Amino acid sequence: EDKVVQSPLSLVVHEGDTVTLNCSYEVTNFRSLLWYKQEKKAPTFLFMLTSSGIEKKSGRLSSILDKKELFSILNITATQTGDSAIYLCVSLDNFNKFYFGSGTKLNVKP
Amino acid sequence: EAQVTQNPRYLITVTGKKLTVTCSQNMNHEYMSWYRQDPGLGLRQIYYSMNVEVTDKGDVPEGYKVSRKEKRNFPLILESPSPNQTSLYFCASASGGSYEQYFGPGTRLTVT
Repeated sequence: EDKVVQSPLSLVVHEGDTVTLNCSYEVTNFRSLLWYKQEKKAPTFLFMLTSSGIEKKSGRLSSILDKKELFSILNITATQTGDSAIYLCVSLDNFNKFYFGSGTKLNVKP
Repeated sequence: EAQVTQNPRYLITVTGKKLTVTCSQNMNHEYMSWYRQDPGLGLRQIYYSMNVEVTDKGDVPEGYKVSRKEKRNFPLILESPSPNQTSLYFCASASGGSYEQYFGPGTRLTVT
């Protein structure tokens, strides 16, 4: 069964801390891995990773994919309270199906 | 403004009463999809569509129907809703090239 597993399930940090969110996947016809941020409403897109070892960066957020070990990490440096959200890891397969992890709930305290 | 719209946003209904949740996008996206989100289970794909008249089952299609007669619309139909379909539903769309999905605001459905 294809699946995406995220860890930790929840995390509490203080502003300024650096966090690493983990995502492992078992998807038979894997194509790409995506990260989304979900605050109170709909998820919003962060990154899409298709190639192994190439870091994608956007401000304080960065992500990398390891297709050999079947995992990805999302790093957030110098966290701010506005980073508090659920971070979703998603796998896209070659048949255009998406598989979502259950998410990591990040709480950044002032 | 580029967006995905869903209606209604909130719906309380009774078991067995057919309902439709509409989804519309104005970005000329080929790909559209429906998800349900439940606590502890994350988002699960119900149905998706690569283009007009092309639909495929996701992980949890039982009890749902969809149609894609026009590129911009992708309604979700519950012919005979049951309480286990109480959930938060999201519609999303993406261009066929990028698969960066844009999500609608969500529809909270309660079936009693």
